[in-house]
Amino acid sequence: AQSVTQLGSHVSVSEGALVLLRCNYSSSVPPYLFWYVQYPNQGLQLLLKYTSAATLVKGINGFEAEFKKSETSFHLTKPSAHMSDAAEYFCAVTLYTGFQKLVFGTGTRLLVSP
Amino acid sequence: EAGVAQSPRYKIIEKRQSVAFWCNPISGHATLYWYQQILGQGPKLLIQFQNNGVVDDSQLPKDRFSAERLKGVDSTLKIQPAKLEDSAVYLCASSLDSSANTEAFFGQGTRLTVV
Repeated sequence: AQSVTQLGSHVSVSEGALVLLRCNYSSSVPPYLFWYVQYPNQGLQLLLKYTSAATLVKGINGFEAEFKKSETSFHLTKPSAHMSDAAEYFCAVTLYTGFQKLVFGTGTRLLVSP
Repeated sequence: EAGVAQSPRYKIIEKRQSVAFWCNPISGHATLYWYQQILGQGPKLLIQFQNNGVVDDSQLPKDRFSAERLKGVDSTLKIQPAKLEDSAVYLCASSLDSSANTEAFFGQGTRLTVV
């Protein structure tokens, strides 16, 4: 069965610093991969998704992620953190075929200090 | 475009009581999902509808949870009787269809506290 592992339940960065949130997936077939962001007391919002068209995916708010099959990874990055990026980030995986069933990781809370 | 609407936003009940949550998906979205998000965990799919039919309810505790989607639009999720471990945020989401790369749009959720 497909799954994702997010390393680090909390990541702290300073404003202006690089953001790196890690996600590794497990899937017997090539997956679709997603990053969602959740602000306090809000639902989840899609940041970006990998659907095999390109390994480097650009999303909203300056985030991007690179699909690396050899490392089974889909890490999320942003060159320069902003205070408004403080939120919880979830990596998710689903399969090509059948109905979409998103399987989420446990999430990483990003803390941004001035 | 209006998003996914959920109500109520918050609910506190005693164990063994019943509770119901309501969801109105984005207009035209055929697929509707209910997720349970326990504090400190990622959302877990409880049930998925395609129009008004259930396509996946493998993780729904059917002895106490039930859900329906009336006329393929609005949906309700019910818990009866509630247990302490049901305390969580219940998220409703919808998407145009059920293909694997379709974006799901989420509501703000209902935070349930069982005391």
